[in-house]
Amino acid sequence: QSALTQPPSASGSPGQSVTISCTGTSSDVGGYNSVSWYQQHPGKAPKLMICEVNKRPSGVPDRFSGSKSGNTASLTVSGLQAEDEADYYCSSYEGTNNFVIFGGGTKLTVL
Amino acid sequence: QVQLQQSGPGLVKPSQTLSLTCAISGDSVSSNSAAWNWIRQSPSRGLEWLGRTYYRSKWFNEYAVSVKSRISINPDTSKNQFSLQLNAVTPEDTATYYCTRGFLKTGFDYWGQGTLVTVSS
Repeated sequence: QSALTQPPSASGSPGQSVTISCTGTSSDVGGYNSVSWYQQHPGKAPKLMICEVNKRPSGVPDRFSGSKSGNTASLTVSGLQAEDEADYYCSSYEGTNNFVIFGGGTKLTVL
Repeated sequence: QVQLQQSGPGLVKPSQTLSLTCAISGDSVSSNSAAWNWIRQSPSRGLEWLGRTYYRSKWFNEYAVSVKSRISINPDTSKNQFSLQLNAVTPEDTATYYCTRGFLKTGFDYWGQGTLVTVSS
């Protein structure tokens, strides 16, 4: 099963906005409102930042937002802060095999 | 606050069985509104969902096709924990393994600390 496609890197200066894309197919991203985004700092477990395309779990700053168009989902981080520097992974429910697939990850650098 | 505490060996020999346990606090493995998963992460394979167990009047287990013939995830209600067993491991199974709470469609909201398991003789 192919992973979802993410750019390997993204960057922005403090205060700026950055958007990370996540491209799948009609069997996963495009077929369900089941995209999640995770933030992972080095040596730590992933942290759920966005679920069901655009919902923020309790405690996640509203600087993080999600959206989807067709087979591509996006994570936008507004008002970049130094602590946002991390790896970000998208995931989606995949209906053909009834499981979850992940993207390859995007390393976000705050310049 | 839900916490997941993993335990188990960090080194397993090829062809042997990888066994990890995840102790739950702040929730119940028998909850009718939760599911308990194992996910692994490696540089070569990225993040990979392995399977889950959950209770809805009876126990259900679901596994990823890639490991279905080798995996078993079992709840232990007496200790409020669940376990992972992966048989016939190869070096390809070397990864950091995480236990999580969550659902396939709504995401994984709590994660264990991770256990790096190396498969080597």
